[in-house]
Amino acid sequence: AQSVTQLGSHVSVSEGALVLLRCNYSSSVPPYLFWYVQYPNQGLQLLLKYTSAATLVKGINGFEAEFKKSETSFHLTKPSAHMSDAAEYFCAVSDRRYSTLTFGKGTMLLVSP
Amino acid sequence: DVKVTQSSRYLVKRTGEKVFLECVQDMDHENMFWYRQDPGLGLRLIYFSYDVKMKEKGDIPEGYSVSREKKERFSLILESASTNQTSMYLCASSSLGQGMNTEAFFGQGTRLTVV
Repeated sequence: AQSVTQLGSHVSVSEGALVLLRCNYSSSVPPYLFWYVQYPNQGLQLLLKYTSAATLVKGINGFEAEFKKSETSFHLTKPSAHMSDAAEYFCAVSDRRYSTLTFGKGTMLLVSP
Repeated sequence: DVKVTQSSRYLVKRTGEKVFLECVQDMDHENMFWYRQDPGLGLRLIYFSYDVKMKEKGDIPEGYSVSREKKERFSLILESASTNQTSMYLCASSSLGQGMNTEAFFGQGTRLTVV
């Protein structure tokens, strides 16, 4: 069975600081990994995805993530936080057959001025 | 612009009522999903469907059923609503691509309160 662990239910940063949201996965096969963002009272929006083409994946809004097989990690980073980045972020791993997603519990990113 | 539309943003129902949550997608996607989102638990898969009239149980199907009579529409049914089904429900769809190129598109969610 696949699983995802997100370390830290809440992460606080100052505007302009580095954002680092941690995600570790467990999968018996090479994984397809995703990061989604959810703004208040909205659905989920895809930030980026890893499908084995390149280990460093660039997404929208300046976010990127690096797949590290040896560490079973897929951490999300952004060099400089903006107030508009405040949201909840979900890491997910996809089942290869049906494309069902197994999500982590989410990390709420708080950005202070 | 691609779209997954859930029929209601907010619903309040009474215990024991039969509840229908409707989802429509306009992308001709084969796969459709229902997830439940609760604070601290993330999103959990209730049911999914990979074709018309086909359905598969997810991780938490108890107390729910689904219907997919048309490709674009996927309904979640609470046969007899209970207070522990108070939650945010998210519908999603994706194309049939064995996971690799299948981005899931999500609806805005339905916040259901059972009283």
